[in-house]
Amino acid sequence: DQQVKQNSPSLSVQEGRISILNCDYTNSMFDYFLWYKKYPAEGPTFLISISSIKDKNEDGRFTVFLNKSAKHLSLHIVPSQPGDSAVYFCAASPSNQFYFGTGTSLTVIP
Amino acid sequence: DAGVIQSPRHEVTEMGQEVTLRCKPISGHDYLFWYRQTMMRGLELLIYFNNNVPIDDSGMPEDRFSAKMPNASFSTLKIQPSEPRDSAVYFCASGWDRAGGELFFGEGSRLTVL
Repeated sequence: DQQVKQNSPSLSVQEGRISILNCDYTNSMFDYFLWYKKYPAEGPTFLISISSIKDKNEDGRFTVFLNKSAKHLSLHIVPSQPGDSAVYFCAASPSNQFYFGTGTSLTVIP
Repeated sequence: DAGVIQSPRHEVTEMGQEVTLRCKPISGHDYLFWYRQTMMRGLELLIYFNNNVPIDDSGMPEDRFSAKMPNASFSTLKIQPSEPRDSAVYFCASGWDRAGGELFFGEGSRLTVL
């Protein structure tokens, strides 16, 4: 059974607007969460992470929010750029194991 | 460092043939993971190693799949015999043994079984 779920397979956003990608998890033992970005024909690359002791982590245009009580995290991209168009995977780790979701394909429309 | 190196990048084979995928992790990394990407399950963890020792292979779909890590710089994922449903992109990733670390992925091996 999927322990990490991304229920939106795709998302389209206008350039300059905010992109919000969502992720839910089921295992309360997960204590570290990551977002990866994947372009076609390439491997996933690390984007941003957050520890369970925090509820927000920011890196430039990217912010990850964690709601532990709801077992939910989200990635905000502001402002969205055409180069952000990619598949985004969220991942959760209970310590040196990494479980990934099914991915959300983001398209940023110029 | 060159990053995680996988070979072959593309493999087309016929049902019943043996397939071997190869991975060279980043030097110094303690962990190595094999993932399979499919539309239905996303990035599915197959097996991972710590210091060359298999830790969890519960994600390996069937006995037809096997993985080895004979030394710190090389791992293989073997499928024998291969079936059309094994067609997917297989990723190798490596990382350090530390809390809060991330995985570094190779570019993947796209397998097509006819």
